[in-house]
Amino acid sequence: AQSVTQLDSQVPVFEEAPVELRCNYSSSVSVYLFWYVQYPNQGLQLLLKYLSGSTLVKGINGFEAEFNKSQTSFHLRKPSVHISDTAEYFCAVSAGYSGNTPLVFGKGTRLSVIA
Amino acid sequence: GAVVSQHPSRVICKSGTSVKIECRSLDFQATTMFWYRQFPKQSLMLMATSNEGSKATYEQGVEKDKFLINHASLTLSTLTVTSAHPEDSSFYICSAISGTVSTDTQYFGPGTRLTVL
Repeated sequence: AQSVTQLDSQVPVFEEAPVELRCNYSSSVSVYLFWYVQYPNQGLQLLLKYLSGSTLVKGINGFEAEFNKSQTSFHLRKPSVHISDTAEYFCAVSAGYSGNTPLVFGKGTRLSVIA
Repeated sequence: GAVVSQHPSRVICKSGTSVKIECRSLDFQATTMFWYRQFPKQSLMLMATSNEGSKATYEQGVEKDKFLINHASLTLSTLTVTSAHPEDSSFYICSAISGTVSTDTQYFGPGTRLTVL
């Protein structure tokens, strides 16, 4: 079985400062890793995903994440945040790909960008 | 591409009534759809996996007789909360996988907020 740990439930950061949202996973098989963002009262939007290949993955809105197999981590980063980045961020894992593989989500990290 | 809609976006109902939530893939055929439930300030918990034309697979602890799922076509899955009670109040989110758009990514609907009085 897979599990995901998001180490920080809340991260406040000043506007234009860099941010890192941490995510660790556990799995006995190869995994696919995802970051989703959820704005208030909305569904989830895919930020980026790691399936294979380069361990540094670039996503939308200037976010990137790095897959570190030895540390079983997939931390999300952005060099300069904006007020509009205030949202809930979820890290998720699926156990390799098959069309019927559901996602296991972390508990989420609330990013609050302060003006 | 890969847009998923949900209807209604918000519903308030009396205790004991049933509520149907629709999940539609607008521009692709969804071979598999998932239903999640999200309590306030918590993560998404998978309720069931739905494949077109077959019975849904429910996660442990989810009552299949209470949460009826029908995946009648490749673009529509419905979740019916039967005899709803206040503890069923939650945010319900569906997602869909396309066999053609991107076979490795789930596309999420905007969610349905259910409030049971």
